[in-house]
Amino acid sequence: EIVMTQSPATLPVSPGERATLSCRASQSVYNNMAWYQQKPGQPPSLLIYGASTRATGIPARFSGSGSGTEFTLTISSLQSEDFAVYFCQQYNDWPMYTFGQGTKLQIK
Amino acid sequence: QLQLQESGPGLVKPSETLSLTCTVSGVSISTSRYYWGWLRQSPGMGLEWIGNTYYSGYTFYNPSLKTRVTVSLDTSKNQVSLKVTSLTAADTAVYYCARLGPKTTVTTSFDFWGQGILVTVSS
Repeated sequence: EIVMTQSPATLPVSPGERATLSCRASQSVYNNMAWYQQKPGQPPSLLIYGASTRATGIPARFSGSGSGTEFTLTISSLQSEDFAVYFCQQYNDWPMYTFGQGTKLQIK
Repeated sequence: QLQLQESGPGLVKPSETLSLTCTVSGVSISTSRYYWGWLRQSPGMGLEWIGNTYYSGYTFYNPSLKTRVTVSLDTSKNQVSLKVTSLTAADTAVYYCARLGPKTTVTTSFDFWGQGILVTVSS
């Protein structure tokens, strides 16, 4: 099973600043990586798939990069609605999909 | 607009079987060529994939849950079902119905999710 490790667990950032979230896979997943945003009481919502492709309706301030085992989600200028928990997920190791433990983006 | 809505009991007893249903609206699960399935989320285990199925009847499961879970489609009702047997407290979680997408393959993300249903396993 591929283990996904996210860092940091909590990231304090001020509105308007840039946030950089990391995700590491225990073995290569090529670009078969997705990022999700989850707000309290809501299901995860797809942000990025294919490591760098924004899902439908996702603002351009969200960008994904990386391949192999190292991935990054960058939010260029944080808006108030961006403070949430973010998860990475690999889908290369089919039929087994695994998620990271999440990074909580909180207001500094 | 695609929508998924889970339904089922919120409380089940240990050793019993959990049955959940996901009603899909906005698209036909039998003609859309997507895979449909279930995930769950608990404080202890985080997000955990359970299994997926296709309109043809093809299914695949998380190896750690394979012996206890069944995912199936009812195309006449446009519903996706989940059964989990031999429940323990460790199965307490929010259960989500979700679609594999945006690609119509198995190597893709989960692009549409239901709101989730909290299931507690307790006597």
